[in-house]
Amino acid sequence: DQQVKQNSPSLSVQEGRISILNCDYTNSMFDYFLWYKKYPAEGPTFLISISSIKDKNEDGRFTVFLNKSAKHLSLHIVPSQPGDSAVYFCAAGKGGGSNYKLTFGKGTLLTVNP
Amino acid sequence: DAGVIQSPRHEVTEMGQEVTLRCKPISGHNSLFWYRQTMMRGLELLIYFNNNVPIDDSGMPEDRFSAKMPNASFSTLKIQPSEPRDSAVYFCASSFRRGGNTGELFFGEGSRLTVL
Repeated sequence: DQQVKQNSPSLSVQEGRISILNCDYTNSMFDYFLWYKKYPAEGPTFLISISSIKDKNEDGRFTVFLNKSAKHLSLHIVPSQPGDSAVYFCAAGKGGGSNYKLTFGKGTLLTVNP
Repeated sequence: DAGVIQSPRHEVTEMGQEVTLRCKPISGHNSLFWYRQTMMRGLELLIYFNNNVPIDDSGMPEDRFSAKMPNASFSTLKIQPSEPRDSAVYFCASSFRRGGNTGELFFGEGSRLTVL
């Protein structure tokens, strides 16, 4: 039972254009959402997050949008750069205190072409 | 500052052999997580510890898998006996957890396991 779904295994965009990565979730108890970026042969690294009480969070070229009614979030990268080429994982968290844990999607491979 | 350190980076073994993966979390972090990455299932949480105590091991595939955290600076994930379907990249991650914590994890570089 996949609680966090990234339905697009891959995405290809041109340098300078916008990249939009999508993520859907099924559990309404999730209260925090994160995006991680992963390069080959490295571990995932934190990129940006958003609390369930917000609908948008922006950090430089990266913006995450949350639509709770649709149980959907997206990551926008503007403008896209070749160095953004990586696998992007969506993650959702629930639970409090010591019981907090993250559930990840399968990832989307983003390729930014020069 | 040193990040999460995992060893070995690569392990190739034969079916039936015991495999032990090791992890040193970031100093000061009080939560440790073991994840497995495969093409089919993405990143799956196997088990996590808080203050060295296992909190949730519901993701451990079966009894062949076991994990320990004898102290705040060391954890192991053991597979005995190993099978070809265990082939994957195993990630260890750590974080500092307290009430209201955002859930940001810091990952190691992973241990790629191949079971022949």
